[in-house]
Amino acid sequence: DVKVTQSSRYLVKRTGEKVFLECVQDMDHENMFWYRQDPGLGLRLIYFSYDVKMKEKGDIPEGYSVSREKKERFSLILESASTNQTSMYLCASSPGTTWGNEQFFGPGTRLTVL
Amino acid sequence: QKEVEQNSGPLSVPEGAIASLNCTYSDRGSQSFFWYRQYSGKSPELIMFIYSNGDKEDGRFTAQLNKASQYVSLLIRDSQPSDSATYLCAVNSGNTPLVFGKGTRLSVIA
Repeated sequence: DVKVTQSSRYLVKRTGEKVFLECVQDMDHENMFWYRQDPGLGLRLIYFSYDVKMKEKGDIPEGYSVSREKKERFSLILESASTNQTSMYLCASSPGTTWGNEQFFGPGTRLTVL
Repeated sequence: QKEVEQNSGPLSVPEGAIASLNCTYSDRGSQSFFWYRQYSGKSPELIMFIYSNGDKEDGRFTAQLNKASQYVSLLIRDSQPSDSATYLCAVNSGNTPLVFGKGTRLSVIA
């Protein structure tokens, strides 16, 4: 089974802090994704990556950056956390060289910024 | 902007009935279609995918695809209270990441 793990289930940070969310997948998937999910807004794509050191902006990249130094690990960085970044953050991975394959999700990190 | 539309619900059905969940999409070139189930507080999990027009059955679940009408649906037969969740439709439109709908909340009443 594909396993996608995220470093924390719950995280509380203060405004202005730098926040790192880590995601690791164990199935050698090429593609990895970061989403945030808010009530009424659905899943919104922040960034995605198709290879080590490669990244692409999604629909809402402002205020976020990412890092992919190893194939299995994809990190989301909030450079200076703000209260409007309070959300559920979901990492996903998918196999292959196209974007259209099914995605497998991690358990999510619920981030609260005070 | 490629769009995937779902009725937000809640859709309420009695236990044992058929639940019908619908999804429309804007990109006529879409090629593959996925249904995810998401329980409250949990992450989405894949339950079915379909690539060709027609029906695809897996246990109590049937996915139906009509590319001419740009419509994909999920039928759940013999609905159980444990099926109560939000169901997300996701669509692949070529070389872009999956586009997700906002989901339909299903409530199965015992």
